[in-house]
Parts: sequence; C-alpha cells; structure tokens
Amino acid sequence: TQLLEQSPQFLSIQEGENLTVYCNSSSVFSSLQWYRQEPGEGPVLLVTVVTGGEVKKLKRLTFQFGDARKDSSLHITAAQPGDTGLYLCAGDKSNTGKLIFGQGTTLQVKP
Amino acid sequence: GAVVSQHPSRVICKSGTSVKIECRSLDFQATTMFWYRQFPKQSLMLMATSNEGSKATYEQGVEKDKFLINHASLTLSTLTVTSAHPEDSSFYICSAAGGGNTEAFFGQGTRLTVV
Repeated sequence: TQLLEQSPQFLSIQEGENLTVYCNSSSVFSSLQWYRQEPGEGPVLLVTVVTGGEVKKLKRLTFQFGDARKDSSLHITAAQPGDTGLYLCAGDKSNTGKLIFGQGTTLQVKP
Repeated sequence: GAVVSQHPSRVICKSGTSVKIECRSLDFQATTMFWYRQFPKQSLMLMATSNEGSKATYEQGVEKDKFLINHASLTLSTLTVTSAHPEDSSFYICSAAGGGNTEAFFGQGTRLTVV
C-alpha cells in the first residue's frame, strides 16, 4: 500500500506549457517536502511546507500544502527544458526526518 | 543546508562479497540517519532508521542480517551489504537529521553493481 500517492508518474510536455503534480494521502504529515533528483545523484530539496494551506513560490514553481496537511501540489508555470527531471514528494509524519516518498514524477519538457 | 557526504559514489563488487557504504554528516551531529534504496525509474524506499549508539530499526521486508547498519558516532553511519547478489544492485542513499534540526539532508548516493 502506497502511503503517498503521487501523480502523474510520467509527463511529457512542450516548452511553455503549465503542469501540476499532485501528492495525496489519507495520513496527516507534520511536514511535506518536494525534491528534484538528477540521474545518479541524491535528491535535492526544493521546498518544505509545514502549515496547512501554506503556499510557497520558487520562481516558476508554486507549492501548496492542503488545509488538512494530507496532500500537496507542485505547479510549474511556463515549463522549460531545464525543468526536465524526476520530482519527488516526501512526507514526514513524526517530525523526525523519516520520510515516506511518493512514486515520483518523471517530467520531460521538449523544446 | 547541512552537508552529508556518502562514499563511495560507485562500487562494483563480485557476487558473494560484502561492500560497505559510508554516510557522514560533515557539519552537524546526526542523531538519526536513514538509509534508502532506489531501483531504476523508481522512487526511494526506506530501508532502515539508524540512531547513534543503538540498533537500527528496519522496515518490513528488509533483511537485517543482509544489510548491516552501524551508527557508532554522531557523524558516521555505515551500511554493509553482505553476501551481495546481482539483485542487490541498486542506488543506495542516506540522509541525516540532527543538530536541533528535524529536516533530513541527503547524501549523493552510491551506485552498487553486483556482477
């Protein structure tokens, strides 16, 4: 049973398009992180959200934490080829750093 | 953010041998370290939680006698894959938390290939 459902798992779009990735769970998380991972490297933290309803922006990326702290979304505006990569959401239930990862979203942005 | 160093980044070993992977927190004391495994085109799966000075807690389905974890100091945890088999080939990643920070920081990962 996947505790954190991430969708879509694969996404191929044209440069300039917008996209949204979702992470959903029936569990409440004390915090939720979004990572980007390049092949052969460890995941790199993009953002941490901790408050229900919180919205954080990182240039063209907008992250939202659900009011009940059970779900989150990542929205990318005007995607660029440099956004290509694996995006991972991960939730921390116990505020210890122990993370449960979603399945990941492989994003390909074509020029 | 804090720095976590993982070594080696790549290792190839023969089937039946053991290989040790190190995870070091360079600028903070990591009371807890986590070990994950990632197969190609898949997400990270937690293998075990390692607390300094105590036995590791393994996730369901992870063989503790095959994946030996030692966390002898506040800056170093090691994962030893014993009697490695080709199916153990994977990307192993550690993360470390501590120093008053509940956020975990990831190492660069180790690509293990068993031939």
